[in-house]
Order: sequence, then C-alpha cells, then structure tokens
Amino acid sequence: AQKVTQAQTEISVVEKEDVTLDCVYETRDTTYYLFWYKQPPSGELVFLIRRNSFDEQNEISGRYSWNFQKSTSSFNFTITASQVVDSAVYFCALSEGSRKLSFGAGTTVTVRA
Amino acid sequence: NAGVTQTPKFQVLKTGQSMTLQCAQDMNHEYMSWYRQDPGMGLRLIHYSVGAGITDQGEVPNGYNVSRSTTEDFPLRLLSAAPSQTSVYFCASSWSNSNQPQHFGDGTRLSIL
Repeated sequence: AQKVTQAQTEISVVEKEDVTLDCVYETRDTTYYLFWYKQPPSGELVFLIRRNSFDEQNEISGRYSWNFQKSTSSFNFTITASQVVDSAVYFCALSEGSRKLSFGAGTTVTVRA
Repeated sequence: NAGVTQTPKFQVLKTGQSMTLQCAQDMNHEYMSWYRQDPGMGLRLIHYSVGAGITDQGEVPNGYNVSRSTTEDFPLRLLSAAPSQTSVYFCASSWSNSNQPQHFGDGTRLSIL
C-alpha cells in the first residue's frame, strides 16, 4: 500500500498565483517524520522542510508555508506568490522508525511568466 | 563541501552487462541508501545501510547488490542489466536518526539497451 499519496500529478499556474500541494500519508507509528523535497529541472533533490509527528505547529518560511494536520494525516505545502524559479517537482516523504524514507509520486509545478 | 558524490553521471549499457554505480560521502554519515526514480513513481528504495558492514533490502532490491566496507562508500552493483533497470539512480546519506533529512547525490542516469 502506498504510504505517501500526492494526488496532484501536475499543477500549472501563472506567476504570482499561490500554489498548494497536497500530501496524505499512512502510518501506524506514533513517532514519524515528514519531509518535503524539491527537484528543479537540473535534477538534484533539495531538502525543504522536516516535521515530526509531535509538532503540529505550522510554519512559514518566506514564500513557503506548511500545514501539518495529524487528524487528517496530511502535510500540505503552499507556495505564495509563485515565481518561475519555483517550477520543479515536489516530493513529500515519510520516515518511520526504520529510517527508510517513503516518497510520494511527486507533483510537477509549472509556473508561467 | 563535496557532500554525496555519485559517478558516473550518465551510462549506457547493453542488456546482460554488469556495472557498479559509485557513491561516496564525506560527512561521516552512518546511514546510506540507493533509490531509483522512474516517471510517475517517485523515488523507490533499492538498498540501504545503517553502518559499515550492514546492509538491507528496500522496496525494489531484485537485480541489485550492495556492500558497505567503509563509512564513506556505498556502491550499487547491477549484476546483469535489463531494460527495466533504465532509470535515474540517487544515492543518499544521513545521520542515523530517522528525523534527519537525507542528503542526495546528483544522480546517475542509466540507460539499458
């Protein structure tokens, strides 16, 4: 069974629009960690944020914000006022006690000028 | 800072050939892993290691071998290449705790003809 589901395959927006990426996860562990990674067209994987299962405080970092809700097993990511440089594939990932990282299928974000 | 270094960056093989993808990290990380990335499937774990001399299988281990003789190196061996192994391969490393983000290499793009 898929542990991390990113239902949106592709999102296309015009510059300055907000973009919200959905991530739903599944785990039986009480302690787990959630991550978002970005993969720009150049191909490298860039770590964006980490959240642990005991910290539901939402976070804002510049134009990025994250909404973690244990009740719905969701860890959504929003880009405010998107820019062309935000065009990338974004991956949500789950780490449980085994330390193995389970990735979602990714959401491709295209920001048009 | 070198971080995680993967070689080669590109490789073309013929069906049945064997080869080794190299991965080295200079951060003294205990945990290292190999993923393959295929379109629409995110990253899938092939093999991982929690320290020198210890390796274990991930989600898609068939057709691949690994060894971890040193903390720094974690090579991935394709025993008899098949077209289904055409993919982009990423090596990653992190500290041993499951809450630590993984640092990824730049990837190896492998084509099997």
